[in-house]
Amino acid sequence: DIQMTQSPSSLSASVGDRVTITCRASLSISTYLNWYQQKPGKAPKLLIYVASNLQNGVPSRFSGSGSGTDFTLTISSLQPEDFATYYCQQSYSTPRTFGQGTKVEIK
Amino acid sequence: QVQLVQSGAEVKKPGASVKVSCKASGYIFTRNDMHWVRQAPGQGFEWMGIINPSGGGTSYAQKFQGRVTMTRDTSTSTVYMELSSLRSEDTAVYYCARDLGRDGFFDYWGQGTLVTVSS
Repeated sequence: DIQMTQSPSSLSASVGDRVTITCRASLSISTYLNWYQQKPGKAPKLLIYVASNLQNGVPSRFSGSGSGTDFTLTISSLQPEDFATYYCQQSYSTPRTFGQGTKVEIK
Repeated sequence: QVQLVQSGAEVKKPGASVKVSCKASGYIFTRNDMHWVRQAPGQGFEWMGIINPSGGGTSYAQKFQGRVTMTRDTSTSTVYMELSSLRSEDTAVYYCARDLGRDGFFDYWGQGTLVTVSS
């Protein structure tokens, strides 16, 4: 199975801050990397697919980059509604595997 | 619009089985694979398996082989996930998620079904 490792596991930031979350795969997954946002008690929401493609309706302050084993999710200017947990997921092979999550909290 | 609506919360005793449903609407049901993913309380996501609604073919995570069965009913656009021999560690929220197809990401998720296993 492909292991996905996110860092950091949590972070504190202020509204307006630039936030970067990284995700590393245990082997090369090309660009088959997706990012989801989850708020408490809710289902995940797709933000970024295939490493850098913004899902319809997702604000442009979210962006993704990377290929191979190293990937990044960036929020250019953190908004109050962005406080949530973020997960990366590989869709290169089954079993689909997820990172352990990064919780973004208010500073 | 695409919607995945799951069945309600369940409470089961250890050793029992649970069957969760996921009714799809807003798209052609047989065109997209469906995954099942679970999330234990306060934990991350664990992929359980995938079903092809067109032919009914399935693939399960090794961890759940022999305990999970995924089926579909094309007449009602519904997929099902049955998990047997439940234990306390199976307490989790279970999600269905649609696979867009080309690149394998999950573009729509059900609202989740909490399954609690307790004696």
